[in-house]
Amino acid sequence: TQLLEQSPQFLSIQEGENLTVYCNSSSVFSSLQWYRQEPGEGPVLLVTVVTGGEVKKLKRLTFQFGDARKDSSLHITAAQPGDTGLYLCAAFSNDYKLSFGAGTTVTVRA
Amino acid sequence: SQTIHQWPATLVQPVGSPLSLECTVEGTSNPNLYWYRQAAGRGLQLLFYSVGIGQISSEVPQNLSASRPQDRQFILSSKKLLLSDSGFYLCAWSIDSVVEKLFFGSGTQLSVL
Repeated sequence: TQLLEQSPQFLSIQEGENLTVYCNSSSVFSSLQWYRQEPGEGPVLLVTVVTGGEVKKLKRLTFQFGDARKDSSLHITAAQPGDTGLYLCAAFSNDYKLSFGAGTTVTVRA
Repeated sequence: SQTIHQWPATLVQPVGSPLSLECTVEGTSNPNLYWYRQAAGRGLQLLFYSVGIGQISSEVPQNLSASRPQDRQFILSSKKLLLSDSGFYLCAWSIDSVVEKLFFGSGTQLSVL
């Protein structure tokens, strides 16, 4: 069973600061996904990274897939209070089962 | 467009009572369907997934069961709830594609007292 480890578990920063969240595993993945979840709601897919070394940008969010496709990072530039939420990485262990990391709770203070 | 409906949004049940949570998907056919459970502020644990009517795969032994009586309907059940069944339950769907994407319902917060 693959294990996705996310760090840090909690992150609290001031508005305007940058932050990075990490997702690591000993397994190689064909793709990896990042989701964001707000309290009382379901997770929403942010991005899927497929190619080793791939970098994707979504406004102020930058996602990177490791060269060996075992790890990924999410970097937020100039964080805003609206970025507050639980960030989850996830990967498929086969065609149908999506496994999640434990998540990083990000709080951006105004 | 596709939508997923999950209800109820919140539920408070006594220990030993039965449970039935329903999830339906609209706007697609033959979706893969999933039930996840989430502890407060933590990651999601896959409970069940289904690739077709009557086809259910269970990921962890537990006090729960799932059924898929129709193509776009997924039901999570229990005959007798335990305190440990409390949590946030999420239904999700996906379609076969080159890279799978999951779309989640809005969840059910279950409190067993």
